[in-house]
Amino acid sequence: DQQVKQNSPSLSVQEGRISILNCDYTNSMFDYFLWYKKYPAEGPTFLISISSIKDKNEDGRFTVFLNKSAKHLSLHIVPSQPGDSAVYFCAAPVSDYKLSFGAGTTVTVRA
Amino acid sequence: DAEITQSPRHKITETGRQVTLACHQTWNHNNMFWYRQDLGHGLRLIHYSYGVQDTNKGEVSDGYSVSRSNTEDLPLTLESAASSQTSVYFCASSESAGELFFGEGSRLTVL
Repeated sequence: DQQVKQNSPSLSVQEGRISILNCDYTNSMFDYFLWYKKYPAEGPTFLISISSIKDKNEDGRFTVFLNKSAKHLSLHIVPSQPGDSAVYFCAAPVSDYKLSFGAGTTVTVRA
Repeated sequence: DAEITQSPRHKITETGRQVTLACHQTWNHNNMFWYRQDLGHGLRLIHYSYGVQDTNKGEVSDGYSVSRSNTEDLPLTLESAASSQTSVYFCASSESAGELFFGEGSRLTVL
C-alpha cells in the first residue's frame, strides 16, 4: 500500500504565477514530511520539510502547508520560475530511516 | 566534497544475465538505500542497509540482492535480469532520520 500519494501527475503553470502541488498520506503517525525535487538525468535533491507539529514551513519561494485533520500537505512555489520545471516528490518516514515517496508531480513552468 | 556515485550510469543487458550496479558514498553514512523510479510509481525502495553486514528488504526486493562489506559501498545485484527490471535505479545515503542524499542514477535496460 502506498502511504504517500500524489494524485496529480503533472502541472503546467505560467512563469510568475503560483504552483500548488498536493500530497495525501494515510498514516497519522508520521513525524515529518519532505519534498524532493528532481531534474532529468539527475538524482532527487531535498527541497523542504515540515514537522508534524507545525502547519506551515517557509523557505524563500517555497512554502509547505500541513493539514493533519485532512492528512494532506501541499507545496506552494511563488513565483514560479523556469528553473522550477522538474519532478517533485513528497515523502514521509515509514520507519527508522526509510522514506516512502509519492509517485511524483511533473511541473512545467511556461515562459 | 563528500558525494555519492553510481556506476554504470547506463547499461543495456539481456534477459537472464546477472547485473551489478555499484554505489559508493564518501560521507561515511551508516544508512544506504536503493530505490527504483518508474513512471506512475515514483521511487520505490528495493533494499537498504543500516551498517556493515546489515541488509534489509524493501517493498520491491524480489530479484535483487545487496551486500554491505564496508561503510562506503552498497552494490545492487540483479541475479537474473528480467524485462520488468528495466528502470532507473537510485542509490541514497543518510546519517540520521530525514534527508537522503541521492546519487545521479543508473538507467538499466533489459532486452
